[in-house]
Parts: sequence; structure tokens; C-alpha cells
Amino acid sequence: DTAVSQTPKYLVTQMGNDKSIKCEQNLGHDTMYWYKQDSKKFLKIMFSYNNKELIINETVPNRFSPKSPDKAHLNLHINSLELGDSAVYFCASSQGELGIDEQFFGPGTRLTVL
Amino acid sequence: AQSVTQLGSHVSVSEGALVLLRCNYSSSVPPYLFWYVQYPNQGLQLLLKYTTGATLVKGINGFEAEFKKSETSFHLTKPSAHMSDAAEYFCAVSEFSDSWGKLQFGAGTQVVVTP
Repeated sequence: DTAVSQTPKYLVTQMGNDKSIKCEQNLGHDTMYWYKQDSKKFLKIMFSYNNKELIINETVPNRFSPKSPDKAHLNLHINSLELGDSAVYFCASSQGELGIDEQFFGPGTRLTVL
Repeated sequence: AQSVTQLGSHVSVSEGALVLLRCNYSSSVPPYLFWYVQYPNQGLQLLLKYTTGATLVKGINGFEAEFKKSETSFHLTKPSAHMSDAAEYFCAVSEFSDSWGKLQFGAGTQVVVTP
């Protein structure tokens, strides 16, 4: 009965590799997000999708490519990983797209780039 | 653009003592304000939010926050700290565009509860 789930929970990889993180929500929400939390716990939005359409695309390197195959899923693919990509990545979902509804967060994926 | 400032990156409180976490925001329009909590190795969870109406907002786990427009503040309080309150707390403000909005988070305040 997990609301927002992410896989994998931990990801350790070498620089230059390509990796993906998957996210699924079973709340019936229309909007999904990817956040990056750095080592100082600072949390910043990367992308947001509403009904499978990209609505927020922050200043993120184009090595990061989100994909939403349907409303319940939002995946994050990262090409040519760099040391600075090491962080915890959180997926979240909400009912609306105006940023005023409660956001439900997944447990996070801790990415370590060596 | 909206922004959020949380005063104090670390707060240590004794069990049973008052918890007070400070948050100030800047916004050119009436803000929507949130407090989220992050327990170790978990995602964030909403504690409470202010949209409109009553300025004193009650949340889960005995927390409450008061919106003070004149002070541009949204401080979080809990009368009596419990060991389980040890966590990272984030204040956030919603930033709007034409048809979407996003949350701007503060830098977070880590709360340590001592016996």
C-alpha cells in the first residue's frame, strides 16, 4: 500500500555511466516531481509533470531526462554521470499542479558516483 | 520570486521543552506556506500548511504554526518535545506562474531532542 515508491533505494556507479531511477505513485495524482537533495540537505525541484506533460524544467543539465509513460509513473534517466550528481533524489506527487496541494514524497534514491 | 529563510540550521531541545523553529519568507503575493518533516532516511511528510483563513494552523503530531503577515513569518512550534520529534524540518513557500506552481524550500533545521 505504498503511496510513492522509488527504485532503486541505493545506486552506486562510476563516472560516465548512464543510470535510471523509477518512480510510481498509486494515489491517483495528476502531478509528479523530481527533487534533488544535496549533502547539506538542501532540496531543489528539478522537474514536474502534470498528466504526462512537462510543466516545470529547472536549470538542470540536459544529461537529466525525465520520462512519464503514464500519470502514475515518472522516471529519471541520467547520462554521463558526474561526481556532482551524487545526492538523494526524491520523487513526489500531488493532486494539483499549482503547488498548493500536499506533496507526497517517496523514500528517496541515494546516488553515489565514484 | 519567493524565498524562504530558516533561522538556525540546528536546534537542540530537551524532552518536554518547547520546540520553536523559525521561518521567514519573501513573497510579492499572498503566500501559501508549508512545513514538512523529514525523518532519517525517509522522504518528506507534510506537517501543516497555510493557504487562507485562520492564521494559526494546527498540524500533525502536536505541531502548529502561525502566519504573521506583518512579520513575514511562519514559525513552527510544539509545546512539549518528544524524542520522536528528532528530524529535519523544512519550511516552504509556493511560487506561482501562470498555470503551475512549485515549492521553494528553506535550507532546513535539524532538531535534536535530548533526554
